Amino acid sequence: QVQLHESGPGLVKPSETLSLSCTVSGGSISGHYWSWIRQPPGKGLEWIGYIHYSGTTKYSPSFWSRVTMSVDSSKNQFSLNLNSVTAADSAVYYCARLTSENFFYWYVGVWGQGILVTVSS
Amino acid sequence: EIVVTQSPLSLPVTPGEPASISCRSSQSLQHSNGHTYLDWYVQRPGQSPQVLIYMGSNRASGVPDRFSASGSGTDFTLKISRVEAEDVGVYYCMQTLQHRTFGPGTKVEI
Repeated sequence: QVQLHESGPGLVKPSETLSLSCTVSGGSISGHYWSWIRQPPGKGLEWIGYIHYSGTTKYSPSFWSRVTMSVDSSKNQFSLNLNSVTAADSAVYYCARLTSENFFYWYVGVWGQGILVTVSS
Repeated sequence: EIVVTQSPLSLPVTPGEPASISCRSSQSLQHSNGHTYLDWYVQRPGQSPQVLIYMGSNRASGVPDRFSASGSGTDFTLKISRVEAEDVGVYYCMQTLQHRTFGPGTKVEI
């Protein structure tokens, strides 16, 4: 069974870049779409974007000027970089895999446990 | 950007009784292929979210059949036929037609 595990610094300074990785275990990163979703403390879910294992990306308009996602197939990992962070970027960040039953519709089928990132000086 | 709203935002429920959550989108979520581009997720206390329903009305694998969803265009509903204690949590709808946008969530509590 595929499992996802987020890793990265739990504290980032304002104006710096938030960098997280997601390690995929129990399955291959190839052939799938991978996404990042965040949840500010006590608030709802926010979609950040997704990346195909081939490198194709699609970012939410709310983030596209600040976000970069990448895949490292050799490590079975994918990553998120969010630059110019502020306190409003403090959140639990989830990595996830999109799942399809029919090859034309994808839903979030597998979620990581989430990692709390706080933006503070 | 498609805006998604939910009501109510808080829903007290009674075990054994039915419950329903409404989700509305600012634009129709009907794709040209005829399918509905909307999912439902639940985030139980202390857990990561998990999918309940995808593409409008399709129950994900392992989801109990007491959960069902319906709707078209801009109005959608998630129904729990008989609430169980384990159903407490926050329920989110998410549109997938243009990028992806979550609704604000509905907190279901007993």
